[in-house]
Amino acid sequence: NAGVMQNPRHLVRRRGQEARLRCSPMKGHSHVYWYRQLPEEGLKFMVYLQKENIIDESGMPKERFSAEFPKEGPSILRIQQVVRGDSAAYFCASRPSGTGGTDTQYFGPGTRLTVL
Amino acid sequence: GDSVTQMEGPVTLSEEAFLTINCTYTATGYPSLFWYVQYPGEGLQLLLKATKADDKGSNKGFEATYRKETTSFHLEKGSVQVSDSAVYFCALSSSGGSYIPTFGRGTSLIVHP
Repeated sequence: NAGVMQNPRHLVRRRGQEARLRCSPMKGHSHVYWYRQLPEEGLKFMVYLQKENIIDESGMPKERFSAEFPKEGPSILRIQQVVRGDSAAYFCASRPSGTGGTDTQYFGPGTRLTVL
Repeated sequence: GDSVTQMEGPVTLSEEAFLTINCTYTATGYPSLFWYVQYPGEGLQLLLKATKADDKGSNKGFEATYRKETTSFHLEKGSVQVSDSAVYFCALSSSGGSYIPTFGRGTSLIVHP
């Protein structure tokens, strides 16, 4: 069973461009979470999605950031008009539904975004 | 709201030394508690977990016991190796709802040969 996949692993953008980060959850997992990690800091929750639904986006900036998890395909975190402060590592995690172990999240390797 | 406090790093040890990384938490209800490890350039990996008071999670020689009376979940290992060098995150996940975990800031461990 493949783990959580994220791509690209590294992404460089100039200020004002758009960044698209992709996350494919583990097989059978229908819950996806996105986090941001700034240097020397812990993980900050951004958004929680299930298939075709945003469940909780309380950690996501109101402007320029959006996320989706379509019925088919990976979850996408989209950052429009990037600024230098968006430079960070972005991690995706997934978890299964149902009973037993549902509170354990499995993390992808992350996408490291650098804004020039 | 929920919060997790970890001891600040870096923690620097010689190989085969005893490791303790302190973690305390505040939460409503009865959360599950986790330790994650992050190696350089990688994502977080679940190291161990405990879901109720007095449970002990263990993996790869690491242990942590869920202490409700002291609201703590300290990570220990009897003899560290150079390969244990990483950042360790304590986290909690409150019962019910979205299972959105709250993470500590992380503690960097450096083990010298």
